[in-house]
Amino acid sequence: AQTVTQSQPEMSVQEAETVTLSCTYDTSESDYYLFWYKQPPSRQMILVIRQEAYKQQNATENRFSVNFQKAAKSFSLKISDSQLGDAAMYFCAYRSDNFGNEKLTFGTGTRLTIIP
Amino acid sequence: SAVISQKPSRDICQRGTSLTIQCQVDSQVTMMFWYRQQPGQSLTLIATANQGSEATYESGFVIDKFPISRPNLTFSTLTVSNMSPEDSSIYLCSVRGLAGEPDTQYFGPGTRLTVL
Repeated sequence: AQTVTQSQPEMSVQEAETVTLSCTYDTSESDYYLFWYKQPPSRQMILVIRQEAYKQQNATENRFSVNFQKAAKSFSLKISDSQLGDAAMYFCAYRSDNFGNEKLTFGTGTRLTIIP
Repeated sequence: SAVISQKPSRDICQRGTSLTIQCQVDSQVTMMFWYRQQPGQSLTLIATANQGSEATYESGFVIDKFPISRPNLTFSTLTVSNMSPEDSSIYLCSVRGLAGEPDTQYFGPGTRLTVL
């Protein structure tokens, strides 16, 4: 079974600075998807960014980018120019691309605090 | 993306009673899921709601406790039966398979359930 590990329960960053959240995963599959979701206090799960394993290029969405290292099974999230609205729980998630085994597996989350 | 609504947004229930949570999507989707998020925890998949047939439950979850319906491609319900305080959680509906975004999974706003 696939597992997702987020080793940083909490992180903090000064407003306007850059922060990197870590995520590692364990899988024997070659085709899969990786996601970062954000959950603010409103509890709404918001998709931040996604990465297809077959793509070598790292995904980028405005201030959010990932460092995807397939061989190392690492998928970190970098937030640039941090803003107060970025404060939330961040969950890394894995999904297989194999039919019948397509459920999302989540990590335990990292709580990000933005310091004004 | 999809607009996903859940009703109720929150409820406080007495032990031994049942609560049905509704999930409505503004577009047809291929797959609908129900997750549970216990206080301070990550998300755990309860089941995949299958249109016109019985839901597919994950290990540790059974139909008698969490009956699920999915009558069409935009609507699903989850019932939490014979509730106990251990059922106090956030329950989230999730969808995948939007036209043009087949691989992205979105979440509803969640239903916060407290069982006394």
